Parts: sequence; C-alpha cells; structure tokens
Amino acid sequence: KQEVTQIPAALSVPEGENLVLNCSFTDSAIYNLQWFRQDPGKGLTSLLLIQSSQREQTSGRLNASLDKSSGRSTLYIAASQPGDSATYLCAVTNNAGNMLTFGGGTRLMVKP
Amino acid sequence: NAGVTQTPKFQVLKTGQSMTLQCAQDMNHNSMYWYRQDPGMGLRLIYYSASEGTTDKGEVPNGYNVSRLNKREFSLRLESAAPSQTSVYFCASSEGQGFLPYEQYFGPGTRLTVT
Repeated sequence: KQEVTQIPAALSVPEGENLVLNCSFTDSAIYNLQWFRQDPGKGLTSLLLIQSSQREQTSGRLNASLDKSSGRSTLYIAASQPGDSATYLCAVTNNAGNMLTFGGGTRLMVKP
Repeated sequence: NAGVTQTPKFQVLKTGQSMTLQCAQDMNHNSMYWYRQDPGMGLRLIYYSASEGTTDKGEVPNGYNVSRLNKREFSLRLESAAPSQTSVYFCASSEGQGFLPYEQYFGPGTRLTVT
C-alpha cells in the first residue's frame, strides 16, 4: 500500500527566505505526482503536476522536482511571501491510475 | 464559471440520521471524486466516478454510497451517520477518466459533525 509522508509537518520562516518542502512515497511505481495548496477552511488548489517521466516542473516562484527511483519530491518556494502561508500537500497517482494517495501536508507560515 | 460547488457548507447530524452531500461541476469533466480529510491523515478517497454511469470504491468506502446523477453531478450519501464520519468532505473533478493524467479541481468542502 502506498504511503506518502511530508516532513516537516509545520514550518515557520521569515519573509524573503527560500524554502524546501519534502514529500516521500514508498512505492516508486507512480504515474504522476501533484502538489496542492490548501488555505484554512478552503478546498485544494493544484500548483504543479509532474509526470513520472519528468524531473521537474516550474510555475513562477515554485519549482517541484521528482526523483521517482528514490521515492522523493521537493517543492521549492523562492523569495517566500506572507501570502504563501498555507498548507501544502503532495499526492501521487499509482501506475494503474485508479488511486491518488495524499500526504498529511506541511503547514507553512511566512512571517512579515 | 463556478468550477466545483458543494452543498451544504456545514452540517450537524445526530448518530443514525441520513443525509446527502451534493457536488456539481461546470467544466464538462469526465471524472469526479469524493474525499474526506481528517486531522493529521491527509485526504482519503471514498468513491470516484471515472465517467458518467460508473462508480468505484476508493480507500474508505464503508458507510457511504454515491450516485453519478449525470455528467455534472456526483452525490455522496450517508445512510446512518456515525461519529467516526465527522470530517471535512471534498468533492473534486478532473478532465481525464480516472486519475490519469490531469489535474484535479476541488470544491470548498463540507464540514460535517456527527454527535
């Protein structure tokens, strides 16, 4: 059974710092990996989707990398802003395409 | 363009009561999903529908039923609510069939408390 772990569970940084969020998964037979953002009391917003054949995806200040063989992904946020404060979740799709497994999330606080 | 909408936003039930959570999407997506989110456990898939007329169990289907009423709507029913079903429920949709390879778009959630 796929297990997805996100470390740390919570992170507090001063504004302007570059930071890295980590995601690890136990079964490397994945089809793709997604990073989501969730604001308090809200639904999830998809940030980046990386196919298993890709190594990274970029969107603005966000860069996600994928090392499928080692079961790891990182989300890099450059020049963090208070508006980046949210919970970030990663999720992997299995090769059969019939299951999406989420990590528990990292709660990020960016202080002005 | 409303995206994915869910009703109600909040609900309190007593043990044994039944209710239906409604979900609709206006993006002409093929696939729809129901998840629950519990503190410290991330999101877990309850049921999904890869296309109109089909439904499949996810990781935690016990105690729930679903109906894919048409391409737009996917409802989740609790026949006899239990305190263990206290959670935040999210509906999502995707352009693809199943989980490949498209992004999922999420609704705002329904916060359900069962006393």
